[in-house]
Amino acid sequence: DAGVIQSPRHEVTEMGQEVTLRCKPISGHNSLFWYRQTMMRGLELLIYFNNNVPIDDSGMPEDRFSAKMPNASFSTLKIQPSEPRDSAVYFCASSLGEAGSTEAFFGQGTRLTVV
Amino acid sequence: AQSVTQLGSHVSVSEGALVLLRCNYSSSVPPYLFWYVQYPNQGLQLLLKYTTGATLVKGINGFEAEFKKSETSFHLTKPSAHMSDAAEYFCAVTSAAGNKLTFGGGTRVLVKP
Repeated sequence: DAGVIQSPRHEVTEMGQEVTLRCKPISGHNSLFWYRQTMMRGLELLIYFNNNVPIDDSGMPEDRFSAKMPNASFSTLKIQPSEPRDSAVYFCASSLGEAGSTEAFFGQGTRLTVV
Repeated sequence: AQSVTQLGSHVSVSEGALVLLRCNYSSSVPPYLFWYVQYPNQGLQLLLKYTTGATLVKGINGFEAEFKKSETSFHLTKPSAHMSDAAEYFCAVTSAAGNKLTFGGGTRVLVKP
């Protein structure tokens, strides 16, 4: 398997524009996570899905952020409108099963810069 | 609620020296504990994990960690550092009932020749 695939790897956009980040989890995995990494706040869980259903979105910063998982092989994280403070590396991860002992596999991340 | 504290955001070691990264956790239920490594411009990769059973767990690349319930700790060690160990290391906690990982702030390791 190719692992968790994220696109794009880098995104530079102007403030106010819409940004869509994409993730393809590992085939067969039924949990998917979106994380944000910044120098100031470290790794933050934004939202996670189980069997395509959002389970916990308490980490989503505000209404400008939304995430969808229309099927088991694809998820998007959208920011609209984007702001400079959204600049960060966004990671998608997937795992098999619901139990806490299962390993999460991370994509290589999308580095977002909002100017 | 669960939380993780990693002592020291940066650690510098000489090649061949012991690597010790400290992690303390807080959890109201039996924890599942993880160490992840992140190389530059890469995602996180699992080094090792503790769920139940033996409290000393061995991972990849010669790393190991010991779960000490009385100290609420899960420190990561490697007897002899290699240049390739230069990376950032994250401790994380979850539980049997939960699925979301709570990460510590990370420790960046620099290996000096």
